Amino acid sequence: DGGITQSPKYLFRKEGQNVTLSCEQNLNHDAMYWYRQDPGQGLRLIYYSQIVNDFQKGDIAEGYSVSREKKESFPLTVTSAQKNPTAFYLCASSMRQGAWEQYFGPGTRLTVT
Amino acid sequence: DAKTTQPNSMESNEEEPVHLPCNHSTISGTDYIHWYRQLPSQGPEYVIHGLTSNVNNRMASLAIAEDRKSSTLILHRATLRDAAVYYCILRDVSTYKYIFGTGTRLKVLA
Repeated sequence: DGGITQSPKYLFRKEGQNVTLSCEQNLNHDAMYWYRQDPGQGLRLIYYSQIVNDFQKGDIAEGYSVSREKKESFPLTVTSAQKNPTAFYLCASSMRQGAWEQYFGPGTRLTVT
Repeated sequence: DAKTTQPNSMESNEEEPVHLPCNHSTISGTDYIHWYRQLPSQGPEYVIHGLTSNVNNRMASLAIAEDRKSSTLILHRATLRDAAVYYCILRDVSTYKYIFGTGTRLKVLA
């Protein structure tokens, strides 16, 4: 089955540690996205990538980094510079950046203490 | 960025139609209206989108006001599986970015 996988579903880290969240898609989509969701809130865009080896900052990129070395993979690193990293992180993809529909993964819930 | 306003929550009885409203008074002429829904602890799922005309698909219908300052998502027969948070989103055509609001939590009563 085609889709987007994010792992792990739950992640716990100590404050001051960097952590990398995985996102893989086998939909052959060109564009990929990372969003952050806080309790009771909508999604906010962190980073997006239109093609391999290219990515742009979204609305809340500070304290995060990404890479896009392969079409199917778009990992997100939450660095120690991110002041409030505890959140639900969602990865999405679309056929191209302007495509109507974004397909979302199941999300990773990160807790930093 | 144009924003959307939705009621925080709504309730519906099972098997009855549901009308979920959305206000977007600052919408620009090229913003598309999208609806996604999110079940608990899952990623959002695309429902429908439109620009000016009403739209229908297998999941729902989208009614867009003539002045485009509001829209309504219509679920024709609510089921328990339709209980979710429904987001009305404007998509900026120039950047293709979605602008999410806080959504409407729909409860479906058996």
